[in-house]
Amino acid sequence: KQEVTQIPAALSVPEGENLVLNCSFTDSAIYNLQWFRQDPGKGLTSLLLIQSSQREQTSGRLNASLDKSSGRSTLYIAASQPGDSATYLCAVRRERGLTFGEGTQLTVNP
Amino acid sequence: EAGVTQSPTHLIKTRGQQATLRCSPISGHTSVYWYQQALGLGLQFLLWYDEGEERNRGNFPPRFSGRQFPNYSSELNVNALELEDSALYLCASSSRGLVTEAFFGQGTRLTVV
Repeated sequence: KQEVTQIPAALSVPEGENLVLNCSFTDSAIYNLQWFRQDPGKGLTSLLLIQSSQREQTSGRLNASLDKSSGRSTLYIAASQPGDSATYLCAVRRERGLTFGEGTQLTVNP
Repeated sequence: EAGVTQSPTHLIKTRGQQATLRCSPISGHTSVYWYQQALGLGLQFLLWYDEGEERNRGNFPPRFSGRQFPNYSSELNVNALELEDSALYLCASSSRGLVTEAFFGQGTRLTVV
């Protein structure tokens, strides 16, 4: 079973819509969870970092929550824009390192 | 302040050759992670170095190896290249400790022909 799972794999929404991306992980023994954005063929840009003791973090139109006990995190994007189109990845930090989900490919249509 | 830098940005090699990829972490960072991302696929963990030591290794054959230097920069070596090794290789760095944020470089695109 995948250690980190992201649902949905792809999402297409009209501009202006609020949306939620989901990340779930097995084994709640994590140090933190990080959300990243990746544009095609590029490296990853860190969006938000949530420590295991925290419930949520906010940056601009982005809000990430963490429920460690249930092994879930959500990334909420408010008032989506075409420039938000990218692949969004979550990663959990454990003793053995940083493990990624497969990502959600987001397309925001003008 | 400079971010994580990777070199070269692109690399073309012939099957059977060796490739060396380099990563310079953010100043003050002691951990370096390497990942492979084949076209259209997710990030596959390769190696993790921290303060000069290999901390963990992913499920890759021994021809994938690396090292971390005293200045915390790192090299990834891939021997006996195969066509399937063609991918974007990403390096990330973080500061000391397990609760710190990871930052990525822009990657090296390796093409094996």
